[in-house]
Amino acid sequence: ETGVTQSPTHLIKTRGQQVTLRCSSQSGHNTVSWYQQALGQGPQFIFQYYREEENGRGNFPPRFSGLQFPNYSSELNVNALELDDSALYLCASSLRTYNEQFFGPGTRLTVL
Amino acid sequence: AQSVTQPDIHITVSEGASLELRCNYSYGATPYLFWYVQSPGQGLQLLLKYFSGDTLVQGIKGFEAEFKRSQSSFNLRKPSVHWSDAAEYFCAVAFNTDKLIFGTGTRLQVFP
Repeated sequence: ETGVTQSPTHLIKTRGQQVTLRCSSQSGHNTVSWYQQALGQGPQFIFQYYREEENGRGNFPPRFSGLQFPNYSSELNVNALELDDSALYLCASSLRTYNEQFFGPGTRLTVL
Repeated sequence: AQSVTQPDIHITVSEGASLELRCNYSYGATPYLFWYVQSPGQGLQLLLKYFSGDTLVQGIKGFEAEFKRSQSSFNLRKPSVHWSDAAEYFCAVAFNTDKLIFGTGTRLQVFP
């Protein structure tokens, strides 16, 4: 059984640029959630995708967007990067009817 | 608003000593409750969860947690800490959804 994987591991961007982060869900899981974890903070819920549709969103602006593909993998896109977007971005997969999420190792984004 | 409080930012214990990490939540109904552990530069690993039933929950790595409805608490315990337990610990809740709300975390340091 393959766990949740994320790419890239690290990324450095400059303010105003756009970034795409990728996540492959655990085998058999149909739901992907994205979280932002700023330094010294707990993860904050960005949004969730279920069967390719957005299924809930946290308090993040529209420049944070996402996709889920038929194989249940997912992308997180962030436009017009700001310095405060520097964080660890975590992806978690789950089965829709269960409340247990499995996390990937994260992508560390640095915005200069 | 729904929230999770971890009052201890940093805890230091000696190896072999007992451990208790505190977690309180604010919400009228009983949520689903979780404890996660995060090692430096890593994603989150689920230690244990409470959905219903027995209020004392056993998890991995020798951890347990007790749900106390009257105190809206879900404290994590371990009778004897090992040096490898040094990490960041996060309490999280979910209210009738699978979208997690995290506390700010407790950093555990273990001295030999």
